[in-house]
Amino acid sequence: ILNVEQSPQSLHVQEGDSTNFTCSFPSSNFYALHWYRWETAKSPEALFVMTLNGDEKKKGRISATLNTKEGYSYLYIKGSQPEDSATYLCAPKGGSEKLVFGKGTKLTVNP
Amino acid sequence: EAQVTQNPRYLITVTGKKLTVTCSQNMNHEYMSWYRQDPGLGLRQIYYSMNVEVTDKGDVPEGYKVSRKEKRNFPLILESPSPNQTSLYFCASSLWEGSYSPLHFGNGTRLTVT
Repeated sequence: ILNVEQSPQSLHVQEGDSTNFTCSFPSSNFYALHWYRWETAKSPEALFVMTLNGDEKKKGRISATLNTKEGYSYLYIKGSQPEDSATYLCAPKGGSEKLVFGKGTKLTVNP
Repeated sequence: EAQVTQNPRYLITVTGKKLTVTCSQNMNHEYMSWYRQDPGLGLRQIYYSMNVEVTDKGDVPEGYKVSRKEKRNFPLILESPSPNQTSLYFCASSLWEGSYSPLHFGNGTRLTVT
């Protein structure tokens, strides 16, 4: 099973701050990486599916980059808003493996 | 509206009493999967199905059964629930298996086994 690390575990920022967090995974035999946003009392929702080294994806104020050679992906949030408060999950997939979810980074944005 | 529907949302039961959690999707997705979420752990896959009549074990299949008789439905069966199956369960589907196709999750079922 892939070893997936997300850091930090939790993060508190002020409204308007920009922030970023990391997903680390084994670089060998990489196939794809998913990012999900999971608000409390709701279900996870897909943000991005990334496949190529150097990929950059953007959705509004949220963007993500992918480095498959060194085995990490960054998720950035520009100008955080209270509605961005959620747990952000990454899920990489190796060639013959299934998606493996990290434990997530819990973001709290204080007004 | 495209969605994955799970029922029930909440369930309290006793050890040994068989139960079924239903999951249905209306997106004609081929791939469906069940996950459980426990504190301090990532989502762990219980079972998955690549298509009708094709199911396979995930990482934590013990104590669970599934079936995929129709494309849209993928029920999770606990024949004899035990307290260690107390958890938050999610059903998810995608167009095809995993990699390039994002998962669509149901609203979750919080199960308590006493």
